[in-house]
Amino acid sequence: GEDVEQSLFLSVREGDSSVINCTYTDSSSTYLYWYKQEPGAGLQLLTYIFSNMDMKQDQRLTVLLNKKDKHLSLRIADTQTGDSAIYFCAESGSYQKVTFGIGTKLQVIP
Amino acid sequence: DGGITQSPKYLFRKEGQNVTLSCEQNLNHDAMYWYRQDPGQGLRLIYYSQIVNDFQKGDIAEGYSVSREKKESFPLTVTSAQKNPTAFYLCASSIRAEKLFFGSGTQLSVL
Repeated sequence: GEDVEQSLFLSVREGDSSVINCTYTDSSSTYLYWYKQEPGAGLQLLTYIFSNMDMKQDQRLTVLLNKKDKHLSLRIADTQTGDSAIYFCAESGSYQKVTFGIGTKLQVIP
Repeated sequence: DGGITQSPKYLFRKEGQNVTLSCEQNLNHDAMYWYRQDPGQGLRLIYYSQIVNDFQKGDIAEGYSVSREKKESFPLTVTSAQKNPTAFYLCASSIRAEKLFFGSGTQLSVL
């Protein structure tokens, strides 16, 4: 079945760029997503990219997709303490459901 | 404002008791989902429904039941058969199986 993998933890200094990486297995994925979860809250859709795109930029967020390697990344420019959260990579594809990674905890050091 | 409302925010279950978690949406979405979140395990799909009066088991449906009598509502019952129910439960909805929108979650604990 489909699988989404991402690293568990990333620590960056305030003002630096953060890059969170993700790999997925479903070659028929149509959309790939990045969600943000703050403590005790639900998931917030940050951004998404259609599978026929290579890049999408939205203010401080840049999503890069390498479809050949099934690799997705999220870059956050000028990372702020308010960006500290868990970031989930997800994909929707051929099985009519959305599959999530385990989540990467981003710690921003002031 | 449109959105998804989960209630209660916190819920406690006694041994042998069934409890029901509420999920209501006013986004006019056809599809609704229930996920369970445990620390370090990400989100696991319990049940999903793509249309009223129809639902499918997800990856961890044992010990849970759902109903979808109205488009707006998708309640989840955690039965006494679920031996390890302590977790954070998330409800979501979408137009199709894309761009899920989530509620704020229910934390279920065992007394």
